[in-house]
Amino acid sequence: GNSVTQMEGPVTLSEEAFLTINCTYTATGYPSLFWYVQYPGEGLQLLLKATKADDKGSNKGFEATYRKETTSFHLEKGSVQVSDSAVYFCALSPSSNTGKLIFGQGTTLQVKP
Amino acid sequence: NAGVTQTPKFQVLKTGQSMTLQCAQDMNHEYMSWYRQDPGMGLRLIHYSVGAGITDQGEVPNGYNVSRSTTEDFPLRLLSAAPSQTSVYFCASSLQWRTEAFFGQGTRLTVV
Repeated sequence: GNSVTQMEGPVTLSEEAFLTINCTYTATGYPSLFWYVQYPGEGLQLLLKATKADDKGSNKGFEATYRKETTSFHLEKGSVQVSDSAVYFCALSPSSNTGKLIFGQGTTLQVKP
Repeated sequence: NAGVTQTPKFQVLKTGQSMTLQCAQDMNHEYMSWYRQDPGMGLRLIHYSVGAGITDQGEVPNGYNVSRSTTEDFPLRLLSAAPSQTSVYFCASSLQWRTEAFFGQGTRLTVV
């Protein structure tokens, strides 16, 4: 079946530190991969996505590359800010035409000044 | 442009009561879904729909019903609330499969 595994949090970093949040997946066929972000008290927002192997998604300084050989989609940012503090979810959309999303458990990021 | 609107934002129910969580989108999206968010478990799919008149079960459908009579609306019904249904519920919609999903602000439900 389809599943997503994220590194456990919380992750606490100082401002301007380098961020990596690991994400690996299990899926049949060719899923699309996403990172969503949830700020306190809000719904989820799309951060970036990749729809095929070797695609790199990027937005707001965040990047993730779709690695089919390692079934991974790790999120990175070179220099985090306090405003990046949020919960980050890795998700996949299966090959089937359903619009479903399968989420990882989420990783809480706290950035300290 | 309102996007995805969920009502109510907060609700407290007694065990055994029924209620409907409302979800409406104004983007003419075909795909709509309901998720519940519990600590340490991410979001889990309850029910989803690929168009008006078509619904299917997700990962955790027990205790919930849905219907999709129009493209815009996708209500979630709790038939007989249980404490295990205490959670935050999110509705989402997307234009096509594999495209960005837009989420509502969520409904925080407590069952006592």
